Amino acid sequence: GENVEQHPSTLSVQEGDSAVIKCTYSDSASNYFPWYKQELGKRPQLIIDIRSNVGEKKDQRIAVTLNKTAKHFSLHITETQPEDSAVYFCAASKGLTGGGNKLTFGTGTQLKVEL
Amino acid sequence: NAGVTQTPKFRVLKTGQSMTLLCAQDMNHEYMYWYRQDPGMGLRLIHYSVGEGTTAKGEVPDGYNVSRLKKQNFLLGLESAAPSQTSVYFCASSYGGVGRYEQYFGPGTRLTVT
Repeated sequence: GENVEQHPSTLSVQEGDSAVIKCTYSDSASNYFPWYKQELGKRPQLIIDIRSNVGEKKDQRIAVTLNKTAKHFSLHITETQPEDSAVYFCAASKGLTGGGNKLTFGTGTQLKVEL
Repeated sequence: NAGVTQTPKFRVLKTGQSMTLLCAQDMNHEYMYWYRQDPGMGLRLIHYSVGEGTTAKGEVPDGYNVSRLKKQNFLLGLESAAPSQTSVYFCASSYGGVGRYEQYFGPGTRLTVT
């Protein structure tokens, strides 16, 4: 089955700096890569996702890059703010017939943005 | 729309007891999923459903059963709870169809088995 590794497990940055979280996956057939943000005691919420036919996607301060050859993808957060502090999870999926997907998650990165 | 809801929010069980967790969604989603979240291990898929009346095993199905008798509901059952099943359980749902992959999560159920 799919295996997703995520690094680092904790990341501390100063407000305004950039943060980068990296993930690798094992199954070359995976084609959907979402990133979720989870605040303490809350549900995971999708912040950005990318399909395998795209190399990069950006949404305001957040961007994701995908290298299919190397089987790794990364989350980039620029101009970090205290409200970006949370646990971030990457995931990979091959997809199910009809459009659903079985997500395999990384183990999470605790991001702390310090004032 | 309420989105994805879960009941109960918290539960404490003794070893060997049984219980059912209920997940409901009002978005007419075809796909529904149950995950468990343990410290340091991310979320792991327990079971999922690709439509009303269907279920399938995920990554960690042992000790759990599921049912999807109605499209909007997905039930997770523990027949004989064990301390290893202490976890936070999240339900999620998603549309069917190419390009509509986002999974929407419920608020979670914190289960403690003593």
